[in-house]
Amino acid sequence: DGGITQSPKYLFRKEGQNVTLSCEQNLNHDAMYWYRQDPGQGLRLIYYSQIVNDFQKGDIAEGYSVSREKKESFPLTVTSAQKNPTAFYLCASSASSPRGTAKNIQYFGAGTRLSVL
Amino acid sequence: KQEVTQIPAALSVPEGENLVLNCSFTDSAIYNLQWFRQDPGKGLTSLLLIQSSQREQTSGRLNASLDKSSGRSTLYIAASQPGDSATYLCAGLNQAGTALIFGKGTTLSVSS
Repeated sequence: DGGITQSPKYLFRKEGQNVTLSCEQNLNHDAMYWYRQDPGQGLRLIYYSQIVNDFQKGDIAEGYSVSREKKESFPLTVTSAQKNPTAFYLCASSASSPRGTAKNIQYFGAGTRLSVL
Repeated sequence: KQEVTQIPAALSVPEGENLVLNCSFTDSAIYNLQWFRQDPGKGLTSLLLIQSSQREQTSGRLNASLDKSSGRSTLYIAASQPGDSATYLCAGLNQAGTALIFGKGTTLSVSS
């Protein structure tokens, strides 16, 4: 089946530890995104990548890092510098295209819920 | 900076009612708009996308409209069902055309 796979579904982080969230897509999409969702809040953009080996900071990139070595994969590392990491993390992808076309539809994974021990 | 407001924050209706969810943007320069559904603890499911050249889109019992001049969108749900209970999020493409700006959502509860 085509889609976006996030793993793990639940993740626990100890203080001072870095953890990595996985996001894999088989939709052949160029663009991938990481969002953070806090209770009662909308999604906020952490990082995005429009092409392999390139990525850009979103609105709340501090304390996070990403890589885009393969088109299918966009892992997110939550570093020890992120002091409030507890949240629901969502990965998305879309076919890169000019604005205003149907290819900008974003498709989302099922999410990873990160908690601090 | 683009901000998105969704009204109401929560809505409870009996089964069978028609209802409208509202979404507004501080910057009316919207390139396209997407409505999503989110079930508790789950990811987002795309419902409708309205491209910049369109005014509305329909899918089954759902109809979404976009008024770019006022920076407002509405999601109309006809003949609501308990299975429609979820949080509905609207999101507009940012000015750079790179990512979506989300509202906080409307949590809908439909009782049987």
